Amino acid sequence: GQNIDQPTEMTATEGAIVQINCTYQTSGFNGLFWYQQHAGEAPTFLSYNVLDGLEEKGRFSSFLSRSKGYSYLLLKELQMKDSASYLCAVKNGDSSYKLIFGSGTRLLVRP
Amino acid sequence: DAGITQSPRHKVTETGTPVTLRCHQTENHRYMYWYRQDPGHGLRLIHYSYGVKDTDKGEVSDGYSVSRSKTEDFLLTLESATSSQTSVYFCAISGSSGSYEQYFGPGTRLTVT
Repeated sequence: GQNIDQPTEMTATEGAIVQINCTYQTSGFNGLFWYQQHAGEAPTFLSYNVLDGLEEKGRFSSFLSRSKGYSYLLLKELQMKDSASYLCAVKNGDSSYKLIFGSGTRLLVRP
Repeated sequence: DAGITQSPRHKVTETGTPVTLRCHQTENHRYMYWYRQDPGHGLRLIHYSYGVKDTDKGEVSDGYSVSRSKTEDFLLTLESATSSQTSVYFCAISGSSGSYEQYFGPGTRLTVT
């Protein structure tokens, strides 16, 4: 079967660093996405990884290990506006354009 | 932001009535998708389209049908709405190259009473 696991909720402090993990088991692999979704809004694209390693984009970084079926999203210098859900999504081997989403991690940033 | 709109944004309907949701894009993207989002389940793919008149089922397609007669419009129809179809529905689009990253519309909140 196909499965994507993420923690349901996390809490962190403003200014700190938080790491949100995602593990996946899919039939093949064609890339992994991270999306941010504020309450009541649409998901917005954050990052894309298809090769092993770290991709850095400002305060956000995303890491991928294909051999371990593992990714994480690293958020630095947390701000209150980072309170949101973070969705991990995988393109499996059957398609270059369809995504399978995890249930998302709700992050609460406290002062 | 990608040019994607959804209509209506909110709808309350009764069990057994047909409902059509519309997704409209101005990006000329090839691929369009319909998802539903429910607490504890994340985003689940209902149907998708890979071109005009070319559609296929996703993981939760029972009770739903779609049509795409123009590149810019993708319609989702609930033939006979049930309470289990109360959800937030998102449309998404993606291009035909690169990472195929998806861009989402603002969503439609549907309540079936």
